[in-house]
Amino acid sequence: QKEVEQNSGPLSVPEGAIASLNCTYSDRGSQSFFWYRQYSGKSPELIMFIYSNGDKEDGRFTAQLNKASQYVSLLIRDSQPSDSATYLCAVGRDVDKIIFGKGTRLHILP
Amino acid sequence: SAVISQKPSRDICQRGTSLTIQCQVDSQVTMMFWYRQQPGQSLTLIATANQGSEATYESGFVIDKFPISRPNLTFSTLTVSNMSPEDSSIYLCSATGVGEKLFFGSGTQLSVL
Repeated sequence: QKEVEQNSGPLSVPEGAIASLNCTYSDRGSQSFFWYRQYSGKSPELIMFIYSNGDKEDGRFTAQLNKASQYVSLLIRDSQPSDSATYLCAVGRDVDKIIFGKGTRLHILP
Repeated sequence: SAVISQKPSRDICQRGTSLTIQCQVDSQVTMMFWYRQQPGQSLTLIATANQGSEATYESGFVIDKFPISRPNLTFSTLTVSNMSPEDSSIYLCSATGVGEKLFFGSGTQLSVL
């Protein structure tokens, strides 16, 4: 059974600090890694994707991938109250076999 | 990214009835999918909508319960048949385009009484 594991949270982070979200996956053959943000009552929104080991930065977001450890993380710098949401990690070999984690609830404290 | 329109956005249905959800993408996409998100849970893939042929269903989902159509590259429907309260969920249409990244429609919040 292929699995994607995330801490459900809530993860509380002071405004302006760095929020660190983590995800582990079981399928060593996974090639694509995604982070989605989902506000309550809304659909998931793609915020980051990464395919290669290492770091990928986009604005305040950094995705980190370590395939040897089967670990992917998302860092949010200068956290804002608008970052409060559930963050879903998604992993797959192919686009038609993406598996989602249950998500981590992030709460940014003003 | 593709813009994915989904309707209805929400509905309240009686047990035993059926609901058809429509999904329209604003540009040609390679693949379309239907997901379900039950309360407090993550997303579960129901099926891949194949253009002009039968959908490919994941384990635990069958065509009689969730018939899917995709008559062209940009449009798909999902029907939730003979509904029961256990079908209460958010149903999400998704699609991939250039770069093979997965985008989602706005979702349909379904409540079955």
